[in-house]
Amino acid sequence: QKEVEQNSGPLSVPEGAIASLNCTYSDRGSQSFFWYRQYSGKSPELIMSIYSNGDKEDGRFTAQLNKASQYVSLLIRDSQPSDSATYLCAVKWGKTSYDKVIFGPGTSLSVIP
Amino acid sequence: DTAVSQTPKYLVTQMGNDKSIKCEQNLGHDTMYWYKQDSKKFLKIMFSYNNKELIINETVPNRFSPKSPDKAHLNLHINSLELGDSAVYFCASSPWSGGNNEQFFGPGTRLTVL
Repeated sequence: QKEVEQNSGPLSVPEGAIASLNCTYSDRGSQSFFWYRQYSGKSPELIMSIYSNGDKEDGRFTAQLNKASQYVSLLIRDSQPSDSATYLCAVKWGKTSYDKVIFGPGTSLSVIP
Repeated sequence: DTAVSQTPKYLVTQMGNDKSIKCEQNLGHDTMYWYKQDSKKFLKIMFSYNNKELIINETVPNRFSPKSPDKAHLNLHINSLELGDSAVYFCASSPWSGGNNEQFFGPGTRLTVL
């Protein structure tokens, strides 16, 4: 059974701090990793994707992947109240569209002004 | 606007009824999905179509039947609705790709079965 795990939170950080969101996955053969943000009552929105070990930066967001430890994280620098949302980690096994994406349960982030 | 759209946004119905949800994408993507997000916010894949072909079919009751008339549309028909079907149903699409699978989600349909 392929699994993706996240701390459900809520994770509370003060405005301007770094928020660190973590995700672990069960299958070493996993190929693609995604972070989605979901505001309450809205649909998931892709914010980052990462495919190889190391860091990938996009604005205030940095995704970090360590395939040996089966671990992917998302750092949000200079957190803003507008970053308050649920962050979903998603993992794809395999390289074809026949391989499904498994979503984690999400971590709720609250940025306190 | 390029997007994934779904109708209706809200659906309230009685147990035992049959209902349909429609999804359309104008992103030019080849692959479309149906996801169910329950009250605990767990997002689970139900079906995936690539260019009108069913390619992922999770363990879903056969009361749920997807239909893809063309690669831009994916509909979901649910027969004999049950209380446990209450959830938010999201349609999504992605480019057909050998590796990447970045998915774009529709706004969701909140189904309430009374």
